Amino acid sequence: QSALTQPRSVSGSPGQSVTISCTGTSTDVGGYNYFAWYQHHTGKAPKLMIYDVNKRPSGVPDRFSGSKSGNTASLTISGLQAEDEADYYCCSDAGSYIWVFGGGTKLTVL
Amino acid sequence: QVQLVQSGAEVKKPGASVKVFCKASAYTFTNSYVHWVRQALGQGLEWMGIINPSSGSISYAQKFRGRVTMTTDTSTSTVYMELNSLTFEDTGVYFCTRGFNWFDPWGQGTLVTVSS
Repeated sequence: QSALTQPRSVSGSPGQSVTISCTGTSTDVGGYNYFAWYQHHTGKAPKLMIYDVNKRPSGVPDRFSGSKSGNTASLTISGLQAEDEADYYCCSDAGSYIWVFGGGTKLTVL
Repeated sequence: QVQLVQSGAEVKKPGASVKVFCKASAYTFTNSYVHWVRQALGQGLEWMGIINPSSGSISYAQKFRGRVTMTTDTSTSTVYMELNSLTFEDTGVYFCTRGFNWFDPWGQGTLVTVSS
């Protein structure tokens, strides 16, 4: 099972919006709506930000939103804040009790 | 609140095995699957496998099959992950996390260092 494809890095200034893409295949991203995004600050535990493509857990700001079209999912962060600077990972159900992560995207807030 | 607490850092020699535990609290242990995810040194998150604490059924990522074993002890609400035949490339942080199609919460991570 190959890792999902994410850009290595994205950046934006405070207040701006950024979008992180995650591309897979019809056997993972395109085949299921069980798709999640995680925020990971170095040295800490990853944090669930989006699940089921576009749902936010309690406590996650509505600045974070998710979407999917075909084999590509996206995470959009609007109104960027300094504390959003982190690594972001997508993760998809790949069927048959297998899951796959993306390679990760480093978000820099300029 | 729901919490997963993992065992402490380990240092192992190449070829050795490591066994990491993940102790769950504040929820019914047998009602939720547990996954293991690792972040090898300088790499991203990598899904290793899933275990059903109720049935003991497991599924491993192809990359780790034959080298990883996940088990549970329902009497102590603990999940174990053992990785054999360690190489330098296995150095990294190993996380347990609860859930099925999304993972929440996560343990604090266990640093495994493979060094001669």
